[in-house]
Amino acid sequence: AQRVTQPEKLLSVFKGAPVELKCNYSYSGSPELFWYVQYSRQRLQLLLRHISRESIKGFTADLNKGETSFHLKKPFAQEEDSAMYYCAPSSSGYSTLTFGKGTMLLVSP
Amino acid sequence: DVKVTQSSRYLVKRTGEKVFLECVQDMDHENMFWYRQDPGLGLRLIYFSYDVKMKEKGDIPEGYSVSREKKERFSLILESASTNQTSMYLCASSPLDGNTGELFFGEGSRLTVL
Repeated sequence: AQRVTQPEKLLSVFKGAPVELKCNYSYSGSPELFWYVQYSRQRLQLLLRHISRESIKGFTADLNKGETSFHLKKPFAQEEDSAMYYCAPSSSGYSTLTFGKGTMLLVSP
Repeated sequence: DVKVTQSSRYLVKRTGEKVFLECVQDMDHENMFWYRQDPGLGLRLIYFSYDVKMKEKGDIPEGYSVSREKKERFSLILESASTNQTSMYLCASSPLDGNTGELFFGEGSRLTVL
């Protein structure tokens, strides 16, 4: 069965501290992986996708196929990073995403 | 800009009532989805549709049905609402071709069933 695990419900850090939001997946084949973010009172939106190898708002995510992980990282957290983050592997040609349970990131001043 | 609009932001219904949640997208997307979002459970897929009059069950379809009579509109129907269907419902859309995995979400419809 396809599974995605985000082990932390809540991650609280101080401004300027490094952040790592963990995501582990169990999928058949080679899924593509995405991180979605929902800021307070805003729509859920795509943050970044593995295939693009991009850095968005200072966040990066490295796919580790050996550990089946796709952790989201940022070296220096900002208060505006406070949000709910969802890891989302995809199969079936990207059409259907499975979302993790989410991690709430709180960045304190 | 892609716009996904959910007609009702907040609804309060009674147990046993029939509930319609409407979703419209203006970018000619083939794919449309209904998720429910619950604290501690994340997003769970209820139904999705790849084309007009086409529907596929997601992970939690029980108690729900959908309708896609026009490409831009995807409706979620609760035939007989129950208290365990109190939740935030999110509609999303995406294009079929050249899909990069990006779903475009609506603002959500918060349903309370009393």
